[in-house]
Amino acid sequence: DVKVTQSSRYLVKRTGEKVFLECVQDMDHENMFWYRQDPGLGLRLIYFSYDVKMKEKGDIPEGYSVSREKKERFSLILESASTNQTSMYLCASRTPWENTEAFFGQGTRLTVV
Amino acid sequence: AQRVTQPEKLLSVFKGAPVELKCNYSYSGSPELFWYVQYSRQRLQLLLRHISRESIKGFTADLNKGETSFHLKKPFAQEEDSAMYYCALSPNSGYSTLTFGKGTMLLVSP
Repeated sequence: DVKVTQSSRYLVKRTGEKVFLECVQDMDHENMFWYRQDPGLGLRLIYFSYDVKMKEKGDIPEGYSVSREKKERFSLILESASTNQTSMYLCASRTPWENTEAFFGQGTRLTVV
Repeated sequence: AQRVTQPEKLLSVFKGAPVELKCNYSYSGSPELFWYVQYSRQRLQLLLRHISRESIKGFTADLNKGETSFHLKKPFAQEEDSAMYYCALSPNSGYSTLTFGKGTMLLVSP
């Protein structure tokens, strides 16, 4: 059974804290993604990575950074958490081939207080 | 840049009624199109993709390039179809990012 696993289901952090969200996939996929999911806004792409140590900005990268030191692991970093970053964060992975399925993690519900 | 529009936030129907969830897209090339579904307390998962031309759980979707639409249809809705549905587009490139619409919540009442 293919798996994308996010390290935390729920997180509560204080404003200004540095926050790490971890994601691991076991499918040897080249591409990995971080989205945030908000009611009425759908899924918005924050960053994606198409190879180890490679990253590209998505639609809403401000306030975030990422790290991909190993193929199976993709980390999202909130440098200084703010209340407007309270959201559900979804990690996904996919091969680069056409029309393939993206596999999603279970999500991390982050609350910044 | 690509864009996906789902005009309805909520679609409420009775069991046995036909369902159509609308999706329109804008993209200059020939995109890959998908429908993803998220049931309550479950992770987002693929429902179907346009290239497969298949019926999954009774749902079908036809790509209409002239109208740039990819509407999801089911002739007879079931209560277990209640979920959040997202239409998604991927450009035909190696990066394979997915651009999602804002989603439509489908509620099927008994």
